[in-house]
Amino acid sequence: EAAVTQSPRSKVAVTGGKVTLSCHQTNNHDYMYWYRQDTGHGLRLIHYSYVADSTEKGDIPDGYKASRPSQENFSLILELASLSQTAVYFCASSDVSGDAEQFFGPGTRLTVL
Amino acid sequence: GQQVKQSSPSLTVQEGGISILNCDYENDMFDYFAWYKKYPDNSPTLLISVRSNVDKREDGRLTVFLNKSGKHFSLHITASQPEDTAVYLCAAGEGTGSKLSFGKGAKLTVSP
Repeated sequence: EAAVTQSPRSKVAVTGGKVTLSCHQTNNHDYMYWYRQDTGHGLRLIHYSYVADSTEKGDIPDGYKASRPSQENFSLILELASLSQTAVYFCASSDVSGDAEQFFGPGTRLTVL
Repeated sequence: GQQVKQSSPSLTVQEGGISILNCDYENDMFDYFAWYKKYPDNSPTLLISVRSNVDKREDGRLTVFLNKSGKHFSLHITASQPEDTAVYLCAAGEGTGSKLSFGKGAKLTVSP
């Protein structure tokens, strides 16, 4: 059974609208991450979290907010969606100790029109 | 700027040959190095990783070589097979369970 799930799996949004992407993990991991994937850019880190109720800015946080209400759940919020935010978004989790392996969700394809 | 760089965006290898993927990094504090594999429309999955206290790690057909002085690491895949065709992402990070910096990815095509 998938340990990192994302919803929705795809979404079409209008420019200026609000979009919320959700991520749920059953790995019992403390760390969670949001990345976006664009052609020619690989994976870029948007926000991450080490513990519930706390989030950190990644490498490209502008235009995004994050929320970590519990260990299992991590949301990415686009308050005013823009065309440039069209991308595939991946959520991941990792353990605080041992290997730094990150386990990825299936991705959400977001199209902003 | 980008902390982890994959200079070759694509590579084609004959079946049975050796595939070599390269990655350069900038941050001296990186002590964890990994290679992820990604099929189209799928999520990345970890292939192999290594800590900075070793300069080589083998796992079956996969070998990671780490050159700390050159800030470079590579993935060698021996006896390459068509099912190895995918995008390979290198990644590096500090400490345990910490955030990773990913390269842009390199598409490997293994032709029969």
